[in-house]
Amino acid sequence: AQSVAQPEDQVNVAEGNPLTVKCTYSVSGNPYLFWYVQYPNRGLQFLLKYITGDNLVKGSYGFEAEFNKSQTSFHLKKPSALVSDSALYFCAVRVAEVGGYNKLIFGAGTRLAVHP
Amino acid sequence: DAGVIQSPRHEVTEMGQEVTLRCKPISGHNSLFWYRQTMMRGLELLIYFNNNVPIDDSGMPEDRFSAKMPNASFSTLKIQPSEPRDSAVYFCASSLVPGRASEAFFGQGTRLTVV
Repeated sequence: AQSVAQPEDQVNVAEGNPLTVKCTYSVSGNPYLFWYVQYPNRGLQFLLKYITGDNLVKGSYGFEAEFNKSQTSFHLKKPSALVSDSALYFCAVRVAEVGGYNKLIFGAGTRLAVHP
Repeated sequence: DAGVIQSPRHEVTEMGQEVTLRCKPISGHNSLFWYRQTMMRGLELLIYFNNNVPIDDSGMPEDRFSAKMPNASFSTLKIQPSEPRDSAVYFCASSLVPGRASEAFFGQGTRLTVV
């Protein structure tokens, strides 16, 4: 089955330190990968995506993600964490279906807590 | 652009009552998704539409759930009758084209509480 996994329920980081939120995927064909962030009582906001090309993708709020085909991973990173980055982060993949349609499925989410 | 608009933001209803959640996608978007978010099950895809046509409703949990998209600017998710286990946050999202490269934009969600 095509899926995306986030192995960590929570990541704790001190402000100013680099952060990594992990994501691995299992899809047939080329993966189309996305990261979203959800702040409390809000909808999901798009951060960045990987479609093709450069393995390092830059997105909103200073976040970036590294696509690694051999490890089937798409980890989210930021060089210096801010307390305001504390939120729930979702990795997602577009899954192709019969008829040329596709759907967006999400990992379980990782809660990022950045401590002052 | 106003983004994806969902209403109501909060809904509290009694078990057995009918509940209707509403969504207005971003103008020009032709794919629409309904998701349900709970602590236990995370973010689940319930159903998605392309050009107003339901494509995949395999995530709809039971026959009590139904969704419609009568036109490109409006969709509803209905639960009849509602049960306490339906309590969750329901999100609607839309994307510009059905291509795999396009990201989806989410509404603020409807928090449903069934008592």
